[in-house]
Amino acid sequence: EVQLVESGGGLVQPGGSLRLSCAASGFTLSSYWMSWVRQAPGKGPEWLANIRQDGGDEYYADSVRGRFTISRDNAKNSMYLQMSSLRAEDTAMYYCAPQSYTQFHFWGLGTLVTVSS
Amino acid sequence: QTVVTQEPSFSVSPGGTVTLTCGLSYGSVSTSHHPGWYQQTPGQAPRTLIYSTNTRSSGVPDRFSGSILGNKAALTITGAQADDESDYYCALYVHNGIYVFGTGTRVTVL
Repeated sequence: EVQLVESGGGLVQPGGSLRLSCAASGFTLSSYWMSWVRQAPGKGPEWLANIRQDGGDEYYADSVRGRFTISRDNAKNSMYLQMSSLRAEDTAMYYCAPQSYTQFHFWGLGTLVTVSS
Repeated sequence: QTVVTQEPSFSVSPGGTVTLTCGLSYGSVSTSHHPGWYQQTPGQAPRTLIYSTNTRSSGVPDRFSGSILGNKAALTITGAQADDESDYYCALYVHNGIYVFGTGTRVTVL
């Protein structure tokens, strides 16, 4: 069964850091560009970043560029999102998904990040 | 800042047809933007319906179809069913590896 499990979310103070993980099973993560998408409460999805199969190329939304870093470890079938300088507006459910242009092949259940003092 | 616009809401009768659109703040949408469409119900992750303008994802009923209409991307639901009542989002490849989701359309079937 194909599965993506995001973890690492939680409550963090403004200005703090957090590292999210995305563990894949039932498929080979190294076959796909992988992306992070978030959704703030009551809002639509927001594409954040993606990373090429070999980790050699990555792209970021303007809202997170310079603060968030995407990475992957194909040997562990996992992907990560290092988040720093967190703001209240970063509060959201964070999802990972394999991506081929606008095809997000499947999604995990997400991990909730809350930025609050 | 790129804004991808959608109608806030639509209502459709069971069995009816509705067309949602997806526009770009600075110009026309074309196939080079690889328009995608996603369905989301409360508490669930989005589900990809259509990608690259008009390709249905596996398992998506053929009552969902994607196209370019004028200067926008479009999602048409033909023969709407009760369980099509959801939020629908589009996404576009805008430039330099960057993607933007639209503002979303809430579809009510009644």
